Amino acid sequence: EVVMTQSPATLSVSPGERATLSCRASQSVSSNLAWYQYRPGQAPRLLISDTSARATGVPARFSGSGSGTEFTLTISSLQSEDFAVYYCQQYNNWPVTFGGGTKVEIK
Amino acid sequence: QLQLQDSGPRLVRPSETLSLTCSVSGGSVSSRTHYWGWVRQPPGKGLEWIGSVYYSGSTNYNPSLKRRVTMSVDTSKSHFSLMLGSVTAEDTAVYFCARLRYITGYFDQWGQGTLVTVSS
Repeated sequence: EVVMTQSPATLSVSPGERATLSCRASQSVSSNLAWYQYRPGQAPRLLISDTSARATGVPARFSGSGSGTEFTLTISSLQSEDFAVYYCQQYNNWPVTFGGGTKVEIK
Repeated sequence: QLQLQDSGPRLVRPSETLSLTCSVSGGSVSSRTHYWGWVRQPPGKGLEWIGSVYYSGSTNYNPSLKRRVTMSVDTSKSHFSLMLGSVTAEDTAVYFCARLRYITGYFDQWGQGTLVTVSS
């Protein structure tokens, strides 16, 4: 199965700053990559599919890029509601697999 | 707006079967454009896809769990279900039900998740 590795595990950022999260696949997943936001106790939320397509209602400050094995989620100016855990997921191969997550915390 | 609400026992004894049901509202479980699936997260660990079921009843399971998993959909009751047999403490996790885009495999809607503990 495809192993997804996210870095860093924890990212400390001040509100208003930019956050850059990385996701690496053990083999090419083409552009079949999604990003999710998770706040414990809430339902995970799809942010981005197909590497860079924002889901309905997702603010423009969230953007995704990359292809093949290297992907990035960028949050251009962190708002208070953005402090959460972010997961990447590949769906190029079954079983679909997730990264271990990056926790974005307030600096 | 689509809502997913899971239900089932929160405590299961070792070697028994974990059973969860996810009720779908605000949308149709008979959708031709979506699968319905389960994902879990053991304490302190990452997310793991368990399996998916289509409205027709066709299923797709994670090979790591395939031997113990059964999923089904009941269109008349607008819900889908998960059964995981021969559970051990390693099956203790938050279980999420979710909707997947057909053919692709990403999850566009999720339930809040429920902690199921395996313990005697």
